[in-house]
Amino acid sequence: SAVISQKPSRDICQRGTSLTIQCQVDSQVTMMFWYRQQPGQSLTLIATANQGSEATYESGFVIDKFPISRPNLTFSTLTVSNMSPEDSSIYLCSVQRFTGPRDEQYFGPGTRLTVT
Amino acid sequence: AQKVTQAQTEISVVEKEDVTLDCVYETRDTTYYLFWYKQPPSGELVFLIRRNSFDEQNEISGRYSWNFQKSTSSFNFTITASQVVDSAVYFCALSLTGTASKLTFGTGTRLQVTL
Repeated sequence: SAVISQKPSRDICQRGTSLTIQCQVDSQVTMMFWYRQQPGQSLTLIATANQGSEATYESGFVIDKFPISRPNLTFSTLTVSNMSPEDSSIYLCSVQRFTGPRDEQYFGPGTRLTVT
Repeated sequence: AQKVTQAQTEISVVEKEDVTLDCVYETRDTTYYLFWYKQPPSGELVFLIRRNSFDEQNEISGRYSWNFQKSTSSFNFTITASQVVDSAVYFCALSLTGTASKLTFGTGTRLQVTL
């Protein structure tokens, strides 16, 4: 399994500000992803964090709003920019490590963001 | 595009009852992976199972079992002799091979197990 930590675990932010969320994995992983879970909703993929190149964003998500970095194979950051109350969600980092037929995909504990 | 449907939004059972959570998926790809995750009230997402589209064998893990039927595009999850600790939201998800394993999630089923 993979041990994933996220910082901060929760935050309350004012509208118009930005927050950077960190995701740290205990070992090198091939793929890292960022998901959003709005209150009472399912999870939606924001983007794939690519090591050494620009992130790949899903429809409805743009780099200006959610800039992502992935400087190495164990770390990534997601920034939520110019926040509004609609950005209040849990943001989750996810990783996959290709180890063979028992590949699994793990999620971090999440960052609970409230925008006031 | 792929889609995952969990028609049951909320289920309540009494402890020790068996309960089945339904999952129906849609994809035009012949190769894909199906997942189940548990999200307890604490919020973390706990991996339960990953199954590829070529493996239709049912799987049992303790009180948990999964029934995968390609003919009906379903991947149902049964908890036998449910316990209060099983109370959580359960998500079914799908990813395509050959992509970056992006998961498409269903809307989740909230399971409440009471004494």
